[in-house]
Amino acid sequence: KNEVEQSPQNLTAQEGEFITINCSYSVGISALHWLQQHPGGGIVSLFMLSSGKKKHGRLIATINIQEKHSSLHITASHPRDSAVYICAVYGGAQKLVFGQGTRLTINP
Amino acid sequence: DAGVTQSPTHLIKTRGQQVTLRCSPISGHKSVSWYQQVLGQGPQFIFQYYEKEERGRGNFPDRFSARQFPNYSSELNVNALLLGDSALYLCASSTGRGVSYEQYFGPGTRLTVT
Repeated sequence: KNEVEQSPQNLTAQEGEFITINCSYSVGISALHWLQQHPGGGIVSLFMLSSGKKKHGRLIATINIQEKHSSLHITASHPRDSAVYICAVYGGAQKLVFGQGTRLTINP
Repeated sequence: DAGVTQSPTHLIKTRGQQVTLRCSPISGHKSVSWYQQVLGQGPQFIFQYYEKEERGRGNFPDRFSARQFPNYSSELNVNALLLGDSALYLCASSTGRGVSYEQYFGPGTRLTVT
């Protein structure tokens, strides 16, 4: 079993829909990152959080440390949100452990 | 301010050859981490360097090595290339030593081994 599991692996939705991507992890962590990767490979850090909730524009990230679970929500989704979303956790030993990614496609 | 830069952007090598990939962190960032991302998978951690010293190492063979220079730029070297080394190699920089600091990623170097 992977240390970081994301669901779903693929998600297709219509423009305007509310999107939720989930991340579960099995290691103790001090920080969790949500990353966005566009075709071509570039990765952008969206959030880094260790507790509670963060919001940036239409993106919201939550984490429940006790349940070892985090969610990334996108409100009023738009085709430009189409990308791969990756959850990564800092489990110690100075390394990030990544999930396999969720490929999101928003159709107009 | 310039972001993290990596060179080259694309590279084709033959099995058995050696390759050197380069990364320049954001100005003021002292930490550089390297990741390998095979097509269709999430990135895998290779190394972290902070203040020119190796601070973390992933589960990669000794064919992979890296170093960090006094200006905090970094090189990743891979010897005796295998077909399975074909991947996108990502570099990320941050201000602090641990990866609990926000990571800023470069565009990556796409390595193809034939």
